[in-house]
Amino acid sequence: AQSVTQLDSQVPVFEEAPVELRCNYSSSVSVYLFWYVQYPNQGLQLLLKYLSGSTLVESINGFEAEFNKSQTSFHLRKPSVHISDTAEYFCAVSVKAAGNKLTFGGGTRVLVKP
Amino acid sequence: GAVVSQHPSWVICKSGTSVKIECRSLDFQATTMFWYRQFPKQSLMLMATSNEGSKATYEQGVEKDKFLINHASLTLSTLTVTSAHPEDSSFYICSVQLGLGADTQYFGPGTRLTVL
Repeated sequence: AQSVTQLDSQVPVFEEAPVELRCNYSSSVSVYLFWYVQYPNQGLQLLLKYLSGSTLVESINGFEAEFNKSQTSFHLRKPSVHISDTAEYFCAVSVKAAGNKLTFGGGTRVLVKP
Repeated sequence: GAVVSQHPSWVICKSGTSVKIECRSLDFQATTMFWYRQFPKQSLMLMATSNEGSKATYEQGVEKDKFLINHASLTLSTLTVTSAHPEDSSFYICSVQLGLGADTQYFGPGTRLTVL
């Protein structure tokens, strides 16, 4: 079975400052890794994913995440946040052999302050 | 990506009644859909995997007779909460998979159920 740990439940950050959201996972087999964002009272939107290849993946709105196999981590970063980045962020893993069912972390709430 | 809708977006019902939630894949045919529930300020918990034309596969601890899932077509899956109780109040979210075992899921906007 897989598990995902997001170490920070809440991250306050000032506008235009950098932010890092930590995600660690546990699995005995290779996994796919995802970051989803959830705005209040909405479903989840895919932010970025790592399936294979380059360990650094980027989203269209300035987020990036790096897969580190030795540390079993997939931390999410953004060099300069906007007020609109205020949301809940979920890290998730899936295993191809298990039909790619997602296992989610507990979520990190990012609050961007002006 | 894929466009997924849910209906209704929110519903309030009395205890003991049944509520049906629809999940539609608007722009492609989805062999597999997933149902999740999310309690306030918590993460998503997978309830069941819905496969078109076959019985749903429920996760451990989820009562299949209480949460009825029907995936009658490649674009529609329904979740019926039977004999709802206040503890069933939650945010229910569906997702679709682009093909059997595809690597990515795309989520609907969610349905907030409040049971009085």
